[in-house]
Amino acid sequence: GDSVTQMEGPVTLSEEAFLTINCTYTATGYPSLFWYVQYPGEGLQLLLKATKADDKGSNKGFEATYRKETTSFHLEKGSVQVSDSAVYFCALREAGGTSYGKLTFGQGTILTVHP
Amino acid sequence: NAGVTQTPKFQVLKTGQSMTLQCAQDMNHNSMYWYRQDPGMGLRLIYYSASEGTTDKGEVPNGYNVSRLNKREFSLRLESAAPSQTSVYFCASIRSGTPKETQYFGPGTRLLVL
Repeated sequence: GDSVTQMEGPVTLSEEAFLTINCTYTATGYPSLFWYVQYPGEGLQLLLKATKADDKGSNKGFEATYRKETTSFHLEKGSVQVSDSAVYFCALREAGGTSYGKLTFGQGTILTVHP
Repeated sequence: NAGVTQTPKFQVLKTGQSMTLQCAQDMNHNSMYWYRQDPGMGLRLIYYSASEGTTDKGEVPNGYNVSRLNKREFSLRLESAAPSQTSVYFCASIRSGTPKETQYFGPGTRLLVL
């Protein structure tokens, strides 16, 4: 079945450092890919998405590119802020031409940014 | 507009005790979901309700029951809690016809079963 693997955390960075959180997936066909963020005490929120190969999703300074050849969707940000401290989840929705397909989540990566 | 709310935020149970996790949404969404999140694993779907009056099993339904009380509320019941049910539980909702990835999530209920 489909699966998503994220880099082990926690990740600790200083403010203004470059961030990469790796995400790779296993799926049949061409799934849609997502990054969610969970701030302390809140529910998950959709951060960005990409629905086909070579698409780049971006939001709030974060970017991720759908790489079919490496089955990856790594999250990057050029300069992190303390307010980016959160848990980040990579996820995919199975292919098949429907918006209602099953969501598969990675295990989450805790990011802590120090001033 | 509170979005998706969950109660309680945290609960400790002894093995064999029962409890109900409550979830409510004020966005007039049709579909609601219950997930659990365990260390080192992603969120896994327990049960979902596509619309008021219907419920269906997800990936990991054993040991749980659900009730879609009305359009707003979707509760998750543990009849006889087990240590394997120690987890963080998330409720989510979405309007029918919108992409599944745009689900609105609640803040979670952290459950410890001793």
